[in-house]
Order: sequence, then C-alpha cells, then structure tokens
Amino acid sequence: DAGVIQSPRHEVTEMGQEVTLRCKPISGHNSLFWYRQTMMRGLELLIYFNNNVPIDDSGMPEDRFSAKMPNASFSTLKIQPSEPRDSAVYFCASSLLAGVLTGELFFGEGSRLTVL
Amino acid sequence: SQQGEEDPQALSIQEGENATMNCSYKTSINNLQWYRQNSGRGLVHLILIRSNEREKHSGRLRVTLDTSKKSSSLLITASRAADTASYFCARINNNAGNMLTFGGGTRLMVKP
Repeated sequence: DAGVIQSPRHEVTEMGQEVTLRCKPISGHNSLFWYRQTMMRGLELLIYFNNNVPIDDSGMPEDRFSAKMPNASFSTLKIQPSEPRDSAVYFCASSLLAGVLTGELFFGEGSRLTVL
Repeated sequence: SQQGEEDPQALSIQEGENATMNCSYKTSINNLQWYRQNSGRGLVHLILIRSNEREKHSGRLRVTLDTSKKSSSLLITASRAADTASYFCARINNNAGNMLTFGGGTRLMVKP
C-alpha cells in the first residue's frame, strides 16, 4: 500500500487566495483526520470523518476552513480566503477506527502551506 | 490544544546512551500512543499501550504507563544518530469528542 497520499507537498500563495489541500487515505480505512502543525500551537486536530461523514469539526479555526470527503478514497481541506496566519503544515491521517477505539494513525507527509 | 505534555521539550545525548521521554495527561484513557516525527516528515506510529497494561516493548523501545500518576514514559535504549527526531505522545481526549490529541513533543538529538 502506498500509504496516505497528500498533495500538494508545498504551496505558496498570496493572502486572499483559495487553497485546496488533498488527501487519499489508505484503502480500507474508515476514519480520516486533518491536523495542522505549527511551532506555536503544535499538532491540532481540525476535523475527522468516520465512514465519509464529518464527526467533529470543532477544531476548524473559522468559517474560512471547510473539509469534505465525497467518497472513501478522497478528502479535501479548503481555506478561502487564506491569511498569513494559516501558514502551517497540514497533515492528513487515516485509521481503521475512530472515537474511543482509535488505534494507530497513519499520517501522510504533509502539505506545507505558506501564505504571503 | 495539547492534552498530553511531554517532558523534556528537548533532549541531547551521545550515541549509545539511553533516552527517556515522559508524557503526562489529565483525564482517563483507553490507550496511549507514541509517535515519531523526522524533520519535514509525517508522524509515524511507534507503540500503543492500553490502560490495563503497565509496560510494553518493541525492539529498543520500552514504554511504561502509570495510570495512577497519569503518566507514561518512552525509553530508547542504545540510541543511534538515526533516532534523532521529535517524539509525541497521543491519547483519546474524552473531553473533545474522543479525538486523538497530541502533546507538544520532545525533540531528541543523538550525537554520533
């Protein structure tokens, strides 16, 4: 298995532009997670899906952020409009289970976003 | 927010020495996990220890769990330069929708 695949690996954009990050989870995994990592705040969980359904998006910073999972093999995280404070590394992870039964998470290599 | 707090924040040792990292948490857990992150890469799962376990081994890794003290430790024995990375503990946050949340990590540097 190729693991969790994220794209793009790097994105540099200007403030106000729309950013779309993409993730392909491991086949057969039922849960998908989006995390954001910064030096100041560490790893923050933004949202997670179980069987393609968003379960908890309380970590999404504001309405500029949205995430979708139209099918079991694809998810997007969109920021519109982007701001410099959104600069971070965004990780997607998948697992077989979520909630209280969450086991091992498999992470992608991340998408490094820089908003100028 | 960071629900598991690692200590120390940074650790520098010589190759061959042992490295011990600690993690404290605040509420009850079902399991606690340790992950490793090399610079510029994604996190990689190392080991999971369940709440009814006290110790677990995997190669040169030894994890202990003390639920009475709400703490866990990760020991890397006979460290190698390739062990240089950040190490994170993670646990289910029952106060946050049962989501897996991570601590701030320990940055380990192993000098050859």
